[in-house]
Amino acid sequence: QKEVEQNSGPLSVPEGAIASLNCTYSDRGSQSFFWYRQYSGKSPELIMFIYSNGDKEDGRFTAQLNKASQYVSLLIRDSQPSDSATYLCGMGETSGSRLTFGEGTQLTVNP
Amino acid sequence: DTGVSQDPRHKITKRGQNVTFRCDPISEHNRLYWYRQTLGQGPEFLTYFQNEAQLEKSRLLSDRFSAERPKGSFSTLEIQRTEQGDSAMYLCASSLASSYGYTFGSGTRLTVV
Repeated sequence: QKEVEQNSGPLSVPEGAIASLNCTYSDRGSQSFFWYRQYSGKSPELIMFIYSNGDKEDGRFTAQLNKASQYVSLLIRDSQPSDSATYLCGMGETSGSRLTFGEGTQLTVNP
Repeated sequence: DTGVSQDPRHKITKRGQNVTFRCDPISEHNRLYWYRQTLGQGPEFLTYFQNEAQLEKSRLLSDRFSAERPKGSFSTLEIQRTEQGDSAMYLCASSLASSYGYTFGSGTRLTVV
């Protein structure tokens, strides 16, 4: 079993819709969880991190963490074509520790 | 703060040759990480440093790979006797030990022919 599994893509949503990206993990020792966005041919950039159960909101982005279910998600509200990218879920044990990433989910937002 | 810099951006080498990549982290960051990413996959951890100490090395990293961070500033990643399977994007990232998440550089794309 892979340590981090992301929902299979590609995912396609219309502009203005909510995009939902999901990630499950196997290591119960993981304490911090990250969402990175990667445009084609570019390096990953950090969107959000979360380490407490519940929701964390930042603008149009909401990260949700459920440690009991070993599940983390990212919701993108009012999706824009510029959100079209691959979204990587990563997890780490503590601050500053190495991250383990999933394979990524490719999102396309159609105008 | 100019971000994380990697050099070169692209490298084409013949199988069997040695290659070396350089990474300059954000100046105040004490942790530096190396990852490798192939098409359609997430970044795969290779190794990381805190200051000049190499704290962890992936068990997937063969002995053809070596990394250094001699003065706790820039780092180099060397691959000896390159193989076609080494073709990938090599990503460097840096952070403070106390912070969450890191900043990636633009990467070095290696093609072994």
